Amino acid sequence: EIVLTQSPGTLSLSPGERATLSCRASQSVNSYFLAWYQQKPGQAPRLLISGASSRATGIPDRFSGSGSGTDFTLTISRLEPEDFAVYYCQQYDSSPPKYTFGQGTKLEIK
Amino acid sequence: QVQLVQSGAEVKKPGASVKVSCKASGYSFTTHYIHWVRQAPGHGLEWVGIIKSSIDDTTYAQKFQGRVTVTRDTSTSTVYMELSSLRSDDTAVYYCAREPPHSYKFDYWGQGTPVTVSS
Repeated sequence: EIVLTQSPGTLSLSPGERATLSCRASQSVNSYFLAWYQQKPGQAPRLLISGASSRATGIPDRFSGSGSGTDFTLTISRLEPEDFAVYYCQQYDSSPPKYTFGQGTKLEIK
Repeated sequence: QVQLVQSGAEVKKPGASVKVSCKASGYSFTTHYIHWVRQAPGHGLEWVGIIKSSIDDTTYAQKFQGRVTVTRDTSTSTVYMELSSLRSDDTAVYYCAREPPHSYKFDYWGQGTPVTVSS
């Protein structure tokens, strides 16, 4: 079973700064199967990135995804006030079929 | 526009069952998959299962096998998730989410249904 570990657990930054969030898999993951979500308190998650690097419809270009194999990264180039939230990575494993999430990274205002 | 509208909050006693609905609109119901994902208070996201609406094929997370049943009604574009033998640690917000076929991503989500299990 593939386990996704996100780091750091909490990231404290100021608006305008650059955020780098990590998602590490216990085994190699097909990049096509790797996605990122943003969740704000009391709301459902929102898809940001799929296929490791493709932005979802309507997602600002300050969000970017990269990586392959076991190491994936979500970067927010210049933080806006509305970007402070919890971020999750997610992957699909075909054997047996299952979808798993990382434990999340909380991005908080410094 | 694509919408997934879920049923309202539920309070159940341990050992009971709960059935949550997810009504889809704004797209062709049978061409996409619907997943269920839950989130316990203060915790992360946990995948429960999937139904491929076109072929009524389901797959469940091993943790829930034997306790969860996902069904669909194509006449009303609604998917149902029933969880039985409820325990206190089933207390969570349950979300439905849409997956475009073979895309392995959840592009639209329902608003969530809080389920509380308490004696």
